[in-house]
Amino acid sequence: EPEVTQTPSHQVTQMGQEVILRCVPISNHLYFYWYRQILGQKVEFLVSFYNNEISEKSEIFDDQFSVERPDGSNFTLKIRSTKLEDSAMYFCASSGTPGLEDEQFFGPGTRLTVL
Amino acid sequence: QKEVEQDPGPLSVPEGAIVSLNCTYSNSAFQYFMWYRQYSRKGPELLMYTYSSGNKEDGRFTAQVDKSSKYISLFIRDSQPSDSATYLCATIAGGTSYGKLTFGQGTILTVHP
Repeated sequence: EPEVTQTPSHQVTQMGQEVILRCVPISNHLYFYWYRQILGQKVEFLVSFYNNEISEKSEIFDDQFSVERPDGSNFTLKIRSTKLEDSAMYFCASSGTPGLEDEQFFGPGTRLTVL
Repeated sequence: QKEVEQDPGPLSVPEGAIVSLNCTYSNSAFQYFMWYRQYSRKGPELLMYTYSSGNKEDGRFTAQVDKSSKYISLFIRDSQPSDSATYLCATIAGGTSYGKLTFGQGTILTVHP
């Protein structure tokens, strides 16, 4: 069964460093998303991506964040200069399965720890 | 006012019980309503999906939406220990089912044998 995969499962970084979180969405999907979940808090929307451009972003997604689909399979989230408050689980999701266009399939997440 | 509110629990029930999970929302623009299940250290997994008001049943699960009172419910019949997880309600605004999911806090459910 197709699934969304994410690497790494856990990333530890120093404050101020750049991190890139990687996702491989389901292969025939057209819409891609990043969400995050700070420990004990809600899952929060960061950004959606369609047709090689950002279609919507939240106020959390400031200039420190960027997304890219560098090839036909990967979808990345870059945080340029990490802050302590960026520590969270980051989930990638994709949607667009014919007949199931509405369902967003989530990956297992990357736990980001900023020290 | 928070857009989607959900009692985080935790909720503990015996095996076989009927479980009722609930959310309220504030934005009348929300049109699509979902329930996700999240096991520990995993991503959310879609359980149920409804559009506008009404009921939807899938096996032991029933989702209800009451748009007049902005209330969303998930009922689990004959609950099993394998149902132990965090249950997240989520909504999407507007006329398309694509886009930003707004989640509730999640309710931690434990079903004990």
